[in-house]
Amino acid sequence: QQQVKQSPQSLIVQKGGISIINCAYENTAFDYFPWYQQFPGKGPALLIAIRPDVSEKKEGRFTISFNKSAKQFSLHIMDSQPGDSATYFCAAISLLNAGGTSYGKLTFGQGTILTVHP
Amino acid sequence: SAVISQKPSRDICQRGTSLTIQCQVDSQVTMMFWYRQQPGQSLTLIATANQGSEATYESGFVIDKFPISRPNLTFSTLTVSNMSPEDSSIYLCSVEDEGGYEKLFFGSGTQLSVL
Repeated sequence: QQQVKQSPQSLIVQKGGISIINCAYENTAFDYFPWYQQFPGKGPALLIAIRPDVSEKKEGRFTISFNKSAKQFSLHIMDSQPGDSATYFCAAISLLNAGGTSYGKLTFGQGTILTVHP
Repeated sequence: SAVISQKPSRDICQRGTSLTIQCQVDSQVTMMFWYRQQPGQSLTLIATANQGSEATYESGFVIDKFPISRPNLTFSTLTVSNMSPEDSSIYLCSVEDEGGYEKLFFGSGTQLSVL
């Protein structure tokens, strides 16, 4: 069974600090690795994503580091702000086909509740 | 980006009844997905709905319990049948935008409580 393991379960960071969330996967059939941010009462929103042939991707304060050989990837949030307080999910996408239509199937990690104190 | 509207946003239902959740997208999309998020948990894929085809269910989910309709390229429904308290969860609709699997968007979800 394909799995994505995420840690830590919860994280408390001071404003301006660096938040680091880690994920590991077991199956090599994943093709894309997105991170989602979810606020209470809302659906997950795509934050940043990376392909397995890239070791790092940075968008503003958010950086994904990807280690293909170790089957691990992580999200770094620089200069963390109270507004970043949310639940973060890593995910892995495997490409499938249904009736001639290709699509991506998401497997989510367990989630990390991030709290950034002012 | 695709805008997804889900109805209802929340509901409280009695054991043994059924609830139909609607998902409306502001653009035509090929694939729509239904997820369940149990309290404090991650998201689990229930089924994939391709317009014009029968939905594909994930292990642990069956059509009799979670029938899905996909009548056109902008709309889908998920029914939670014969509900029990264990069905209390958030149910979310998701779609692939023009970017395909690189652009997956979620609705705000339907918070279901079963008494």
